[in-house]
Amino acid sequence: AQTVTQSQPEMSVQEAETVTLSCTYDTSESDYYLFWYKQPPSRQMILVIRQEAYKQQNATENRFSVNFQKAAKSFSLKISDSQLGDAAMYFCAYTETSGSRLTFGEGTQLTVNP
Amino acid sequence: EAGVTQSPTHLIKTRGQQATLRCSPISGHTSVYWYQQALGLGLQFLLWYDEGEERNRGNFPPRFSGRQFPNYSSELNVNALELEDSALYLCASSPGLAGRHEQYFGPGTRLTVT
Repeated sequence: AQTVTQSQPEMSVQEAETVTLSCTYDTSESDYYLFWYKQPPSRQMILVIRQEAYKQQNATENRFSVNFQKAAKSFSLKISDSQLGDAAMYFCAYTETSGSRLTFGEGTQLTVNP
Repeated sequence: EAGVTQSPTHLIKTRGQQATLRCSPISGHTSVYWYQQALGLGLQFLLWYDEGEERNRGNFPPRFSGRQFPNYSSELNVNALELEDSALYLCASSPGLAGRHEQYFGPGTRLTVT
């Protein structure tokens, strides 16, 4: 069974600084998708960024970028120029190409200090 | 474009009762997923419906059931409620075969069992 692990329960960053959230996963599949979701206090899950395993190029969405290391099964999220609105719980998630379900990590609570 | 909607926002039930939660997917999406987010247990996959049929089921007892209607909206039913069913229930939708791997979430229904 696929598993997703986020080893940092909490992280903090100063406003305008850069922070990296870690995620590792385990799968025997060669093709799959990885995501980072953000869950602010409102509890609405928001898709931040996605990565297809067959693509070697790391995904980027504005201030958010990933470091995808397929051989190491690592998928970290880098947030540049952190803003107060980035404060939230961040979840790493995995799904197979069939899209049958998302498997989530335990989450990392990010605090942004002014 | 309207996002995924869920109703009710909050639901309070007594142990042993039945709860019905509703979800309307993004227009054009055919797949609906249900997840449970209980305190201390993270996000757990419950059910996946596509084109009116149950496609996959998580590790939950049969008293968790649901259905998908011809307009692709969905209901989650929880029978014989137990105290540990208290959680945030999240619904997500995704497009058809071409984009099934990307899921967009609704705001959730907070179920409290007393």
